[in-house]
Amino acid sequence: GAGVSQSPSNKVTEKGKDVELRCDPISGHTALYWYRQSLGQGLEFLIYFQGNSAPDKSGLPSDRFSAERTGGSVSTLTIQRTQQEDSAVYLCASSLGSTINYGYTFGSGTRLTVV
Amino acid sequence: DQQVKQNSPSLSVQEGRISILNCDYTNSMFDYFLWYKKYPAEGPTFLISISSIKDKNEDGRFTVFLNKSAKHLSLHIVPSQPGDSAVYFCAASEGTYKYIFGTGTRLKVLA
Repeated sequence: GAGVSQSPSNKVTEKGKDVELRCDPISGHTALYWYRQSLGQGLEFLIYFQGNSAPDKSGLPSDRFSAERTGGSVSTLTIQRTQQEDSAVYLCASSLGSTINYGYTFGSGTRLTVV
Repeated sequence: DQQVKQNSPSLSVQEGRISILNCDYTNSMFDYFLWYKKYPAEGPTFLISISSIKDKNEDGRFTVFLNKSAKHLSLHIVPSQPGDSAVYFCAASEGTYKYIFGTGTRLKVLA
C-alpha cells in the first residue's frame, strides 16, 4: 500500500486479556518502529526493527509487551494480560533506513482501551 | 523526566497571522530535531527538520529555528491557514533512529 497500515483502528479489551496489534509498513522500508501515546503524554518509543538486525526493545515498558517482525515486513505488537495503564494509541512507523533526516511515516494508530 | 517539553498545550491564532510553536529540550547531546503535524484520527506526518549545525531551516510557510545555547527550538508558520489547525509535536534525537517526542501543542487557526 501507499502508506503504513495498522489494524485494528480501535480495540476495547477487558483487563487481563491478551491483544495483538498489527502493522503493515510501506513496501521497501527496512526500518519499523512502534510508539505509543498515552493521554497527555508525548509519543513514547517502544521498539525498533532494522532489517535482520536484533531489534532494539529498550522502550518496552514491561515483559508483558513483545513484538515481532516476520519476513522483514509485517509486525505484530502483543500485550499480554492487559492492564488499564496500557490504554493508549499505539503508533507504528516505517522508514527507508535507520538514519532519520527525513522523518518516519506513521500509520493512523490503534486506539487501545482496557476496561 | 521529560527531555523534550512543549509547555503550551494549545495556541489560537488568527488566519493570516504568524503561529509560533515552541519546544525546549534538556539533553545537550540532541543534534537532530523534527516537527510533526497530527490531525485527529490520523498518524503524525513529518513537517520539517533541522540539524544542530544549522540555526534555521525554511520550507515554504514553515521555518524552524534552533537556539542551541538555550536548548530551544521553534516552528513558525506564516501566514497561518485554517488547514494548519492540528497538533504539532517536536522530536529530538542524538543522531540515531530513536526520537524523543514532546507532548504536543494544539494549534487552532481562526478564520
